[in-house]
Amino acid sequence: GIQVEQSPPDLILQEGANSTLRCNFSDSVNNLQWFHQNPWGQLINLFYIPSGTKQNGRLSATTVATERYSLLYISSSQTTDSGVYFCAAPGGDNYGQNFVFGPGTRLSVLP
Amino acid sequence: DTGVSQNPRHKITKRGQNVTFRCDPISEHNRLYWYRQTLGQGPEFLTYFQNEAQLEKSRLLSDRFSAERPKGSFSTLEIQRTEQGDSAMYLCASSLVGGRYSSYNEQFFGPGTRLTVL
Repeated sequence: GIQVEQSPPDLILQEGANSTLRCNFSDSVNNLQWFHQNPWGQLINLFYIPSGTKQNGRLSATTVATERYSLLYISSSQTTDSGVYFCAAPGGDNYGQNFVFGPGTRLSVLP
Repeated sequence: DTGVSQNPRHKITKRGQNVTFRCDPISEHNRLYWYRQTLGQGPEFLTYFQNEAQLEKSRLLSDRFSAERPKGSFSTLEIQRTEQGDSAMYLCASSLVGGRYSSYNEQFFGPGTRLTVL
């Protein structure tokens, strides 16, 4: 099945700094999602982005499906951005029916 | 649209007991997924339903696990004879998919049920 990797595993930022999180996947995908998991465990949808670029406030994401990677940009980071960021791509025995998650990037934003 | 809800939010049980979790998906979503997440890891797929039909089960889903979605709305996940290794966060997600060849499948997750087996 598909392999999903994320880098860096951990990231510590000062409030106001910018960051880029990367997601690599081993096979072509027809959809991809980015999530933020808050300290209470809730997975919050950030982007559904099989290809192209999307922006939502201080966050933006780009997926280059042909090169098998996606990037999540966080600008002017805030302490509330802290948490774990996951990307997920379709995989498994029945292509496209469930998600394979990467190991996550743990982001800590310091005041 | 109230989002995906899960109950209970926390469950503590003794080894060997049976537990059941419930998931209520976003109304009109036809797909419902169960995932399991252990500490420090990403969620791992367990099983999914299209309406009331269970279409795929992961190899992670041992015989002690059973899931149902009897009327194509809410779903239950039961774990029989719990073991300490079952301690995890159990996450439910739902999505609305279109035609047979549609690739759109944006999944929305509930808050999870945290299971602790003593």
